[in-house]
Order: sequence, then structure tokens, then C-alpha cells
Amino acid sequence: AQSVTQLGSHVSVSEGALVLLRCNYSSSVPPYLFWYVQYPNQGLQLLLKYTTGATLVKGINGFEAEFKKSETSFHLTKPSAHMSDAAEYFCAVSGAGGYQKVTFGTGTKLQVIP
Amino acid sequence: DGGITQSPKYLFRKEGQNVTLSCEQNLNHDAMYWYRQDPGQGLRLIYYSQIVNDFQKGDIAEGYSVSREKKESFPLTVTSAQKNPTAFYLCASSSLQGGYYGYTFGSGTRLTVV
Repeated sequence: AQSVTQLGSHVSVSEGALVLLRCNYSSSVPPYLFWYVQYPNQGLQLLLKYTTGATLVKGINGFEAEFKKSETSFHLTKPSAHMSDAAEYFCAVSGAGGYQKVTFGTGTKLQVIP
Repeated sequence: DGGITQSPKYLFRKEGQNVTLSCEQNLNHDAMYWYRQDPGQGLRLIYYSQIVNDFQKGDIAEGYSVSREKKESFPLTVTSAQKNPTAFYLCASSSLQGGYYGYTFGSGTRLTVV
């Protein structure tokens, strides 16, 4: 069984400030972890993913996330928020090995204040 | 370019009507999925299919039906038995290693009951 918890359904940051979106996971097998972004009335787009290897992964649009096994976390960060970052972000988890469905979190809406 | 096409983008349904949402992919993916998205509830899995002529219920299959007659197509029918169908519907696809590579999403269909 696997699950994802995203802390904070809404996050507001000022333009130019650090973005931190929190994600904790639960998985009975080694996890694969994903962050997706969704702009209004659009589908989800893959931002970045962790499978194996380096625990700090970089994605598109300047985002990065760090896999911390001891904390079962995969938080998403960006050093400086831009107005175009305003969107909803979803953390997701699947299990390594064989066919595994992806389980999504409930999402965090990021507001960027000018 | 490969991708997933959902149509129509907006759909209006009268009470008691069945409606069918289209989803077509040209990514040669084996697996396809339908999700329902409501504000604050994240993505909820309706149905998924890993192979032609076979599909499985997700978490909220009641009031919905699907078919998978071709690898490229996975239409969703919202029946009159679905009491609250107004929502944003997302189709996704993946290889059978979807847990590793992640999912590719369409741009969604917004269904409104009038």
C-alpha cells in the first residue's frame, strides 16, 4: 500500500521568495516519487521524478526536490518564485518493481503575490 | 508530436442523459486511466486499463463505464446513474512501467450538468 500527504492545501509566497511545498509518503516498497504541476483548466505536467540514485533531483522551471528516506519526505523547492509559478502542484508515489499504479496527493495551490 | 487528446474540452449534460468523453493517445502506451477531479479532493481514479479488452474499476467507478477496443482509445461514459457528474475529467496513459516513468495526461474535459 502507498499514500501521499501534502501539507497545506494553499501556500502563498511573495514574488522572488523561496517556494517550499511539502510532501510526505508512505510505501511498503522502495518508492518512486513524482511532482506534477497543473495550470487552470489544463492537465497535469511532470515536473520531476525520483527513482534511484542521486537524492536531489532537478526538474523543469527551476524546481528541485530532495528524497529523504529517513523522513519519508520529498519536498519541492524553488529559490525564487515567479508569477508564472502560480498553479496547483501534486506529489505522487508508486512502488518500485513490476507494474505499479501511481497514487496522487490532494494537491497544493501555490499563490504568488507580486 | 505524441500525446493524449481529450474531447470535447467542455461538455454539458442534461439530467438523465448519458454522455461519452473521448480519450485518444498516440504514445503507444499500454495503460490508460480516467480520473475525476473536484476542488480540494485531488485526483480520484475511476477506471484503468492495462491491455486491450480489459479494464479494472478504480476507487469511484459507480455510475461510469469504459471500453478499450483499441490500444489508442479509452472512452469514458458518464451514465445517468452518476448522481453528481459535474467535475473535471482527466485521461492519462503510461507504459507498463508507469510507476517508473510516470503518467502523461490529456488537457481534460469539464463536464457540467444543466
